[in-house]
Amino acid sequence: AQSVTQPDIHITVSEGASLELRCNYSYGATPYLFWYVQSPGQGLQLLLKYFSGDTLVQGIKGFEAEFKRSQSSFNLRKPSVHWSDAAEYFCAVGRVNDYKLSFGAGTTVTVRA
Amino acid sequence: DAGVTQSPTHLIKTRGQQVTLRCSPKSGHDTVSWYQQALGQGPQFIFQYYEEEERQRGNFPDRFSGHQFPNYSSELNVNALLLGDSALYLCASSLSGAGANVLTFGAGSRLTVL
Repeated sequence: AQSVTQPDIHITVSEGASLELRCNYSYGATPYLFWYVQSPGQGLQLLLKYFSGDTLVQGIKGFEAEFKRSQSSFNLRKPSVHWSDAAEYFCAVGRVNDYKLSFGAGTTVTVRA
Repeated sequence: DAGVTQSPTHLIKTRGQQVTLRCSPKSGHDTVSWYQQALGQGPQFIFQYYEEEERQRGNFPDRFSGHQFPNYSSELNVNALLLGDSALYLCASSLSGAGANVLTFGAGSRLTVL
């Protein structure tokens, strides 16, 4: 079964600074990889996804993620964080012919002025 | 274009009661998945419905059941509620086929069991 690990429970970053959120997955074949963001009291919004092809994926809100097969990682980055990026971020993995997504436990991002 | 809508947004039940949560998928989507998100955790897959049938189920007991209607909307039913069922229940819709993994989530129904 696939699993997802987000090593950082909480990250605090200054507005304007860069952000990187880590995600490691366990799955034998090439997975489908996703990053979602959840604001307080809200559902999850898809930031970006990777199915195949170019390993650097661009998403919404200025986010990008890089798939590194050798490290089983799919880290999320943003060059310059805005106060509105304060939220919880979830990495998720899926696979071919399997309809469920397995989510990590999430990383809470706090943005300080 | 309406996204995924869920009702009710909040509800409180007591142990042993039954609850029904409702979900209308995003326009054009024909597949509905349900997830349970306990406080401080990531969502856990309950099941997915397609063509009015349960297509895949996660590791949840039979107390959790669902239904999909011809208009693609869906219900999640939980019987014999336990304290541990307190969570945010998220509905997600998608397209069948290659897009089945690309989920659009609703805002959720917050269930508190006392």
